[in-house]
Amino acid sequence: GAVVSQHPSWVICKSGTSVKIECRSLDFQATTMFWYRQFPKQSLMLMATSNEGSKATYEQGVEKDKFLINHASLTLSTLTVTSAHPEDSSFYICSASPGLENTGELFFGEGSRLTVL
Amino acid sequence: DAKTTQPTSMDCAEGRAANLPCNHSTISGNEYVYWYRQIHSQGPQYIIHGLKNNETNEMASLIITEDRKSSTLILPHATLRDTAVYYCIVRVVGFQKLVFGTGTRLLVSP
Repeated sequence: GAVVSQHPSWVICKSGTSVKIECRSLDFQATTMFWYRQFPKQSLMLMATSNEGSKATYEQGVEKDKFLINHASLTLSTLTVTSAHPEDSSFYICSASPGLENTGELFFGEGSRLTVL
Repeated sequence: DAKTTQPTSMDCAEGRAANLPCNHSTISGNEYVYWYRQIHSQGPQYIIHGLKNNETNEMASLIITEDRKSSTLILPHATLRDTAVYYCIVRVVGFQKLVFGTGTRLLVSP
């Protein structure tokens, strides 16, 4: 299947700093990518929909000024956690679809584990 | 997206078939049933999907009831590596986002 890659796989940062996570579709173009967050022993929670060339659409309760999303190309979306705090420690996962003309299957990245000290 | 209901956890012996049920009684006519699984600390992995006909691929089989209000994912010969959380999701193709429920935690034991 199609490949979606995230970087970094894990990151540790100090409270108050910003962290950028990249999501790349390696063998297809994705006009839309999705960002999820997952806390321990919980399900994935959709944070936002990232649209190439336009502003991201955030789910209710997700702060757009704290979680900055940029989708500058058809193969790359970035999530920046600004002024990170310990409560932002989580597993962040992105997903992308090759397009609407197929089954609409979504492919997921490996996830990025953020730990804020 | 229509809501799905799955058992919280299930156990299965290695080599036996694992049958994971899912209820989606409010599913609409244009909504597909998707199954994903998530092995610990990894991103979700696509397994299979279907609309109304039963489907089979190299990973699993999907049985959808005639009224489409429920479905069953079948792993014919479960292995230890099939231990994961299995998510049943219904959504309209063309609306790409997936909304995850709580899933079923499948434990395959020797």
